[in-house]
Amino acid sequence: ILNVEQSPQSLHVQEGDSTNFTCSFPSSNFYALHWYRWETAKSPEALFVMTLNGDEKKKGRISATLNTKEGYSYLYIKGSQPEDSATYLCAFGGATNKLIFGTGTLLAVQP
Amino acid sequence: NAGVTQTPKFRVLKTGQSMTLLCAQDMNHEYMYWYRQDPGMGLRLIHYSVGEGTTAKGEVPDGYNVSRLKKQNFLLGLESAAPSQTSVYFCASSASRGASANEQFFGPGTRLTVL
Repeated sequence: ILNVEQSPQSLHVQEGDSTNFTCSFPSSNFYALHWYRWETAKSPEALFVMTLNGDEKKKGRISATLNTKEGYSYLYIKGSQPEDSATYLCAFGGATNKLIFGTGTLLAVQP
Repeated sequence: NAGVTQTPKFRVLKTGQSMTLLCAQDMNHEYMYWYRQDPGMGLRLIHYSVGEGTTAKGEVPDGYNVSRLKKQNFLLGLESAAPSQTSVYFCASSASRGASANEQFFGPGTRLTVL
């Protein structure tokens, strides 16, 4: 059974803090690793798709890194803002057409 | 360009009733998916389709059926609803595998309560 784990489950930070989350995934049959941002009462939206070991992606204050050999990815948020409050999901894409999602990290940024 | 749409947005059923959830996408995507989201469980795949006329089981298919008669539509059916099927249901679609590495686009969700 393929397992995708995210930590921490939840995180409360102050506005301006920088933070990071971890996603662990199987290191075999790797095809892609996805990060999604999921705001309350909305649907998940793709942040990054990474396919190569050592990939680094950046979008504004949010960036992600990928290590496929050891099976982990980090998501970083620099200078958190209240509008960054959301659940951040990672998903592993292997040798099938399916994605395996983690349970997410819930981020709350206090003004 | 509406993306992925789902109907209905909310529904309350009694145990044993049946219903169909409709997902439609206008991005000409080959792949479509149905997930359920429950507290602490993340998104779990119910069924998926890799093209018109084809469907396959996901992680939690029991109690559900699906059909993909047209490329743009993916229907999820509950023949005899049970309280355990109370959940939020999300549909997603993606292009064929390639440069997008199977990025999925999600609909707004359907909140279903089974009494």
